[in-house]
Amino acid sequence: EVQLVESGGGLVQPGGSLRLSCAASGFTFSNYWMTWVRQTPGKGLEWVGNIRQDENAKHYADSVKGRFTISRDNAKSSLFLQMNSLRPEDTAVYFCARDLFATGSHDHWGQGTLVTVSS
Amino acid sequence: QSALTQPASVSGSPGQSITISCTGTSSDVGNYNYVSWYQQHPGKAPKLMIYDVTKRPSGVSNRFSGSKSGNTASLTISGLQAEDEADYYCNSYTSSGPAYVFGTGTEVTVL
Repeated sequence: EVQLVESGGGLVQPGGSLRLSCAASGFTFSNYWMTWVRQTPGKGLEWVGNIRQDENAKHYADSVKGRFTISRDNAKSSLFLQMNSLRPEDTAVYFCARDLFATGSHDHWGQGTLVTVSS
Repeated sequence: QSALTQPASVSGSPGQSITISCTGTSSDVGNYNYVSWYQQHPGKAPKLMIYDVTKRPSGVSNRFSGSKSGNTASLTISGLQAEDEADYYCNSYTSSGPAYVFGTGTEVTVL
């Protein structure tokens, strides 16, 4: 069974940093693009960014470009999201998701981890 | 990377069909067949319902179907059931980035 489990969320002050992790199991992690998506409480989904299997291609939403970095460790079946210079508007539930193909469709999702940016 | 435009809410009676629209531009929906649709129940993770405009993942009911015309993609739910009550989001590849962009979301209510 495919499982994705996010961790690392919490309360952080504006300007601070946080690193989210996503532990994958039940499939060959190194065969898939992976994506981060966030959802502001009570609002819609926002695509954050994705990473190719070999880590040689990464794409980011304009809203996080230059502040967030996606990485992965295929040996440990893990995905990461390093978030720097955090802003209150980054407050959201962050989901990791597996890409079905390299066409942006996400067939498995984690349950999400809440990040709150507040002083 | 502006969000794709969806109606805020759509409703229908059990057994009826409803259609949710997702309007983008020639930079996303209009020029790429990489549109997907997600169902999200409160407090749950999204679930993939349609990918590549018209394809259904294994296990998704054939009551769900997707289509596209010009810059607008659509999700049709036929034979509406109480369990279909949820939020629905479209998603498309966009050449602005490159990246992907979600729709604004549609709340489906079964009357």
